[in-house]
Amino acid sequence: IAGITQAPTSQILAAGRRMTLRCTQDMRHNAMYWYRQDLGLGLRLIHYSNTAGTTGKGEVPDGYSVSRANTDDFPLTLASAVPSQTSVYFCASSAAGGFNEQFFGPGTRLTVL
Amino acid sequence: LAKTTQPISMDSYEGQEVNITCSHNNIATNDYITWYQQFPSQGPRFIIQGYKTKVTNEVASLFIPADRKSSTLSLPRVSLSDTAVYYCLVGVYSGAGSYQLTFGKGTKLSVIP
Repeated sequence: IAGITQAPTSQILAAGRRMTLRCTQDMRHNAMYWYRQDLGLGLRLIHYSNTAGTTGKGEVPDGYSVSRANTDDFPLTLASAVPSQTSVYFCASSAAGGFNEQFFGPGTRLTVL
Repeated sequence: LAKTTQPISMDSYEGQEVNITCSHNNIATNDYITWYQQFPSQGPRFIIQGYKTKVTNEVASLFIPADRKSSTLSLPRVSLSDTAVYYCLVGVYSGAGSYQLTFGKGTKLSVIP
């Protein structure tokens, strides 16, 4: 059982380029999340989805979009990357939304130049 | 958003008990408090969750006073492998089945031999 997988592991991207970070879970969890982690700022929620077909904005949604076409996948898209989006991105899932235990992926390290 | 405050770092010798406190003075009555542990280059993982008073599991205890304005994660007899960053997670119910989840900025625990 893989749990949560993220791809790519790391990426260097030119500013202005479009980028999609992939996240897949095999636990049949209803809720999924995207966080960014920056030194000194901890983890900040970007977007979430409580169930397939629905999404919501977190604390720092600007510049990012998500979709939830099915239960397993929750891609995060940067339409036009900027250097301030340089960060480590973590995807997580939980059985349901709210305060259920979240299971995190290994992260994607993104550098925007 | 719920606001949280944690110490940036703590040091402890092996075998000692470590207490890490998170202040969260605006969480709602029905919100849970959750703690996560993160090792370098990994995603966070769930440690413990509580609503009020005291919760204990095989790795930690969580103390929540009656006013719920703070919570304390207690790690008994720490070892070198407990060196990690510890995050508290709180949330505020925002209506329509949605919660705004906020991680603290994390406390880096260094266990010294």
